[in-house]
Parts: sequence; structure tokens; C-alpha cells
Amino acid sequence: KQEVTQIPAALSVPEGENLVLNCSFTDSAIYNLQWFRQDPGKGLTSLLLIQSSQREQTSGRLNASLDKSSGRSTLYIAASQPGDSATYLCAVVGPGYSTLTFGKGTMLLVSP
Amino acid sequence: ETGVTQTPRHLVMGMTNKKSLKCEQHLGHNAMYWYKQSAKKPLELMFVYSLEERVENNSVPSRFSPECPNSSHLFLHLHTLQPEDSALYLCASSQVGATTSTDTQYFGPGTRLTVL
Repeated sequence: KQEVTQIPAALSVPEGENLVLNCSFTDSAIYNLQWFRQDPGKGLTSLLLIQSSQREQTSGRLNASLDKSSGRSTLYIAASQPGDSATYLCAVVGPGYSTLTFGKGTMLLVSP
Repeated sequence: ETGVTQTPRHLVMGMTNKKSLKCEQHLGHNAMYWYKQSAKKPLELMFVYSLEERVENNSVPSRFSPECPNSSHLFLHLHTLQPEDSALYLCASSQVGATTSTDTQYFGPGTRLTVL
């Protein structure tokens, strides 16, 4: 059974810092890995999707990497802003009809 | 309305009540999902529907009963729930194609359910 772990569980940084969120998964037989953002009281928003054949994806200040063989992914956020404060969820898609297996998330707080 | 909508946004019910959660997607997708998000636990997949047929049921108790009358609507019927069923219930949709490597799911805002 696939398990996804995210470290740290919570992170508090001052505005402007670069930061890294970590995700690991136990079964490397994945189709893709996705990073989501969840704001309090709201649903999930997809940030980046990395296909299993890719090593990284970039969107603005966000960069996600994937090392499928070691079962790891990182989300790098450059020049963090208070608006980045949210919970970041990592999820992998494996065999079983596009089903996502999620980690518990990292709660990020960026203070002004 | 755009994206994925869910109603109600908040629901409080007693253990003997019967209620239903509704999800509607306006994206033309062919698959819909129910997830449960409890405090301090990962999001858990409950049900998957593709082309209005249930294709996956992750050992969910029978007090949760899904219904998918068409590709745009998904319901979750609730009866005789327990306090531990209190959680955020999220609906999602996706377009499942020939390859799953680029599929992503679009989520609704969720229904915050409290069972007394």
C-alpha cells in the first residue's frame, strides 16, 4: 500500500526566505506526483504536476523536483510571501484509476 | 458557476438524521471522486465514479451511500453517522483519458460535516 510522508508538518518563516518542502513515497510505481495548496476552509488547488518520466516542473516562484527511484520530491518556494501561507499537500497517482494518495501536508506560515 | 461546487458548505446533523451532500462539476469531466479529510490524517479516497459507474470503493462503511446520476453530479447520502465521521468532505473531478500521467483532479471547496 502506497504511503506518502511530508516533512516538516509545519513551517514558519519570515517573508523573503527561500524554503523547501519535502515529500516521500514508499512505492515508486507512480504515474505522476502532484503538489496542491489548501487554504483554510477551501478546497485544494493544483500547483504542479510532474509526470513519472520528468525530473522537475516550474511555475513562477515554485519548483518541484521528482526522484522516482528514491521515492522523493521537493517543492521549492523562492522569495516567500505572506500570501503563500497555506497547507501544501503532496499526492501521487499510482495504479488504480487515477486515484491520488495524499500526505498529511505541511502547514506553512510566512510572516511579514 | 465554474469549476467544482459543493453544497452545503457546512452541515450539523444528529446521529439519527439522514442528509445528502451534493457536488456539481462544470468542467465537462468524465470522472468524479469523494474524499474525506479528518484532522491530522491524510485525505482519504472514498469513492470513484467514471462515466457514472462506480469503479472504486475504498472499504467505506455502508452508512455512506454515493450516487452519480450523470457525469456532472455526485451525491453522498448520509445516514446513522457516528461522531467520528465529522470531517471535511471534498469532491473532485477529472478527465480520465488514454494516459493517466497528466491527469489532475479539480477539487470543490468541501462540506464541513459535524455529527453530534
